[in-house]
Amino acid sequence: GAGVSQTPSNKVTEKGKYVELRCDPISGHTALYWYRQSLGQGPEFLIYFQGTGAADDSGLPNDRFFAVRPEGSVSTLKIQRTERGDSAVYLCASSPTGGSSTDTQYFGPGTRLTVL
Amino acid sequence: EDKVVQSPLSLVVHEGDTVTLNCSYEVTNFRSLLWYKQEKKAPTFLFMLTSSGIEKKSGRLSSILDKKELFSILNITATQTGDSAVYLCAVTNSNSGYALNFGKGTSLLVTP
Repeated sequence: GAGVSQTPSNKVTEKGKYVELRCDPISGHTALYWYRQSLGQGPEFLIYFQGTGAADDSGLPNDRFFAVRPEGSVSTLKIQRTERGDSAVYLCASSPTGGSSTDTQYFGPGTRLTVL
Repeated sequence: EDKVVQSPLSLVVHEGDTVTLNCSYEVTNFRSLLWYKQEKKAPTFLFMLTSSGIEKKSGRLSSILDKKELFSILNITATQTGDSAVYLCAVTNSNSGYALNFGKGTSLLVTP
């Protein structure tokens, strides 16, 4: 079956611009996660959705970052007034329920964001 | 703050060798430890180890969890060039929902 998909695969923008990154989770998965991975580092948690609501947004670095999941499937990560330090690969993952210690997260291929 | 430390950071071996990758952790209210393989961008799931499942095996890959000494190892036997990747270790705790806390990864290169 189809896995997690993310668009665009690459995004180049200028400092100060607004960007939106999209994630399509595996069909039927209720939990959705966003992570950010900088070069040479492991992924860093940003936000977790259970259905339509953000159950944990403690990883968002500041108020320039915002994410939505209005219908409980597709999610959009929005970054305002981008800075060069926002350059990274943004990974999305989904899991069947999000409510079990054995729930496995499946990752998409990521969006590589470059802020010039 | 939870910590996940992986070692070595990078490793080069010849095809056919056996490798052992290490992951040590400090986690409040430990829930699970996971291993992922990252070749290009998407990390792919390998194993999940919890209190009720401290040893897992799949083909040439195996992993154990030592909850007393707070570490896990990932073993790969008879390595192949297709095993070349970054191997990521992550932990979850009961306090932070189901967010994965990753280490920096071990970059493995298997040469022919």
